[in-house]
Amino acid sequence: QMQLVQSGAEVKKTGSSVKLSCKASRFTFTQRRLHWVRQAPGHALEWMGWITTVTGDTNYSQTFQDRVSITRDRSMSTAYLELSSLRSEDTGMYYCARSGSYGDYVFDSWGQGTPVTVSS
Amino acid sequence: QSVLTQPPSLSAAPGQKVSISCSGSNSNIGKNSVSWYQQFSGTAPTLLIYDSHRRPSGIPDRFSGSKSGTSATLDITGLQTGDEADYFCGTWDDGLSAAVFGRGTKLTVL
Repeated sequence: QMQLVQSGAEVKKTGSSVKLSCKASRFTFTQRRLHWVRQAPGHALEWMGWITTVTGDTNYSQTFQDRVSITRDRSMSTAYLELSSLRSEDTGMYYCARSGSYGDYVFDSWGQGTPVTVSS
Repeated sequence: QSVLTQPPSLSAAPGQKVSISCSGSNSNIGKNSVSWYQQFSGTAPTLLIYDSHRRPSGIPDRFSGSKSGTSATLDITGLQTGDEADYFCGTWDDGLSAAVFGRGTKLTVL
């Protein structure tokens, strides 16, 4: 069964940046889009953007466009999310998720999540 | 405030049926199919329904979905205590050019 394994918890200061990773195993990394989705306390899931693992093309939510960068390392089967200018509202759980089996925005497999805490 | 509206919580007895609603607009549910996700406390979401009514392999037929106009519904029949979880709807929003989700419905099986 395919797996997405994410990096560990992060604690950051406001104004700094964070970079999270998402390693894929047991599926062909280069045949899917990988997305990042945030779950902040008391908020709906928020889609942040995707990367096409074959070409490295990206598409970002307008909400995060100015602060987010999604990259991938094909040799490592790993995708990365970097979020800059962190503020307290960025505190939450960050998930990577795969799409493509059932639709471009149907998330058929999820990582275990990475908790990010932002404080001053 | 979320783009998609779900009831915050629902409860029902074991063996009963529950329907979870997801209300949107013409720019999202009105034009695109809906997915449903189940999330147990402290774990990542898992896909339950896609294309508004289809189940991935391994999902029991106790779970079914439907869509009408700008609303979608997830039905769960033969409720089990193991169904206690949060349930989220999601779709694409053409106006926002973003995937959007509801805030989730916490299901309690009494």
